[in-house]
Amino acid sequence: AQSVSQHNHHVILSEAASLELGCNYSYGGTVNLFWYVQYPGQHLQLLLKYFSGDPLVKGIKGFEAEFIKSKFSFNLRKPSVQWSDTAEYFCAVNVRNTGNQFYFGTGTSLTVIP
Amino acid sequence: DTGVSQDPRHKITKRGQNVTFRCDPISEHNRLYWYRQTLGQGPEFLTYFQNEAQLEKSRLLSDRFSAERPKGSFSTLEIQRTEQGDSAMYLCASSFHIDRNTEAFFGQGTRLTVV
Repeated sequence: AQSVSQHNHHVILSEAASLELGCNYSYGGTVNLFWYVQYPGQHLQLLLKYFSGDPLVKGIKGFEAEFIKSKFSFNLRKPSVQWSDTAEYFCAVNVRNTGNQFYFGTGTSLTVIP
Repeated sequence: DTGVSQDPRHKITKRGQNVTFRCDPISEHNRLYWYRQTLGQGPEFLTYFQNEAQLEKSRLLSDRFSAERPKGSFSTLEIQRTEQGDSAMYLCASSFHIDRNTEAFFGQGTRLTVV
């Protein structure tokens, strides 16, 4: 079945630790890829996106993600997390030729300990 | 605030009652999406509109659910004869779809609790 998989459901890190959250998708064709973040009590916000070009994309707040087409992956990274990064992170895929909806992973809850 | 606006933010209703939610998208956006999110899950697609036309509906959208976007601006999502399983966060998103590259902007959501 077509899906978006986020392997880490809950991650706990200390401040200044490095972060990598995995995302794999199983949709064929050309895709647009996104990471959304949901801070406690707030709405989903776009962290970064990939449409085409350089597979390493940079987003807000020091986050970046790398699209590896051969692995159907779009992992999120940050070299040094802060307490304020505590949030829920969602990977999403939009299949370009259909373009009709965004498919989301189940999310990863990140807790950063000061 | 020029973001996506949803009303109400919270709704508690008794089983069997009807509820209606409203979404005001970002003004120039031609696409509007409804999603549902339950605890521990990512948003699940319900339906979307291109201007006033409802172009796709998920199998999750049972006959008790109906959505409208009468003038291609705001949208309403109605749930008839609510059930406890309808308890969830209902999210609205909008996008400006001009080519195949588009991103969705989400509202705060309406949290529905059916008791």
